[in-house]
Amino acid sequence: AAGVIQSPRHLIKEKRETATLKCYPIPRHDTVYWYQQGPGQDPQFLISFYEKMQSDKGSIPDRFSAQQFSDYHSELNMSSLELGDSALYFCASSSEVFGNEQFFGPGTRLTVL
Amino acid sequence: ELKVEQNPLFLSMQEGKNYTIYCNYSTTSDRLYWYRQDPGKSLESLFVLLSNGAVKQEGRLMASLDTKARLSTLHITAAVHDLSATYFCAGHSGTYKYIFGTGTRLKVLA
Repeated sequence: AAGVIQSPRHLIKEKRETATLKCYPIPRHDTVYWYQQGPGQDPQFLISFYEKMQSDKGSIPDRFSAQQFSDYHSELNMSSLELGDSALYFCASSSEVFGNEQFFGPGTRLTVL
Repeated sequence: ELKVEQNPLFLSMQEGKNYTIYCNYSTTSDRLYWYRQDPGKSLESLFVLLSNGAVKQEGRLMASLDTKARLSTLHITAAVHDLSATYFCAGHSGTYKYIFGTGTRLKVLA
């Protein structure tokens, strides 16, 4: 079965640079979520989109922005990167039709040097 | 805002033993999820608990939900080494927003 796809899987950036993470949800899933997980920490909810509209917002820094496109894929844009942004970034998708159970992608490991 | 706490944070147990991980949450959550995560890997959905008194079992793992006590448990029966991982519970907060617990790092010793 198709799963959530994230790209790139690994990303290395310098401080103050920008990064764009992409997420392709499971087909027919209409909701996308972004999470940030630091080393040894629990996943922190950043933001979610339902039917291409922003739904809920969590601890997402102002330097980050995200959107969901007409084909339901989502991008997380991160600017003025800081060392503390180094983390695993997970995207998950869900659908009300399937009980809103979240299915997680493999993650993007971002390292800021 | 919903807060989710798990205990214990670390659990080292012998193979063949039973143990329970507890997940307490601060405000009403109409559903509760359990996930497993191996080091450096993604989160794997284990259980979705949608109502008070819900109990689900898969292999050596059994999860339950008591919405009145705001408590969910993940019970491990006769642990085996393959169950070594970090286990997270997550509560529903907002329309499309989930808050994760602190995680329980389980190590099963042979």
